[in-house]
Amino acid sequence: GQNIDQPTEMTATEGAIVQINCTYQTSGFNGLFWYQQHAGEAPTFLSYNVLDGLEEKGRFSSFLSRSKGYSYLLLKELQMKDSASYLCAVMDSNYQLIWGAGTKLIIKP
Amino acid sequence: IAGITQAPTSQILAAGRRMTLRCTQDMRHNAMYWYRQDLGLGLRLIHYSNTAGTTGKGEVPDGYSVSRANTDDFPLTLASAVPSQTSVYFCASSDWASGSTDTQYFGPGTRLTVL
Repeated sequence: GQNIDQPTEMTATEGAIVQINCTYQTSGFNGLFWYQQHAGEAPTFLSYNVLDGLEEKGRFSSFLSRSKGYSYLLLKELQMKDSASYLCAVMDSNYQLIWGAGTKLIIKP
Repeated sequence: IAGITQAPTSQILAAGRRMTLRCTQDMRHNAMYWYRQDLGLGLRLIHYSNTAGTTGKGEVPDGYSVSRANTDDFPLTLASAVPSQTSVYFCASSDWASGSTDTQYFGPGTRLTVL
């Protein structure tokens, strides 16, 4: 079966750095996406990785290791507005997205 | 309008009733999707459409039907609602092409409660 695992909840302090991990087992791999979802709102796109390595986009970076079936999202200089759920999704061999349950990130002042 | 709109925003429905959730996009994306999101679970694909006139079944299609008469609209119908269909429903679209990995953009969601 197909499976995406990520921690249910994490807590971090404003101004700090946090890393959210995602491991996956899917039938085929055509890229990994990270989305941000604030409570009661729609998911919004953050990043896409298809090759191994680190993609940096401002305060957010995403890393992929295809051989390990592993990705992480790194958030730097945390702000209160970063309190949200972060969703990891893998595009499988049928080009459909398989979604993790999401990691709820709580930022404390 | 810009992006994707969904209607209604929320709805309380009696079991056994028929309900259509509406979704409209103005980005001229060829692909559209319906997901449901339940607490503790990832988004699950109900139905999708890669282009106007075609539809496909996702992971959890039972009890739902869709149509895609044109590029912009992708309604989701519950023929006879059951309490297990209580969920938040998201519509999404992407500029899909065979073999592509284009980003999906989401509407604001419809919160549906079936009693």
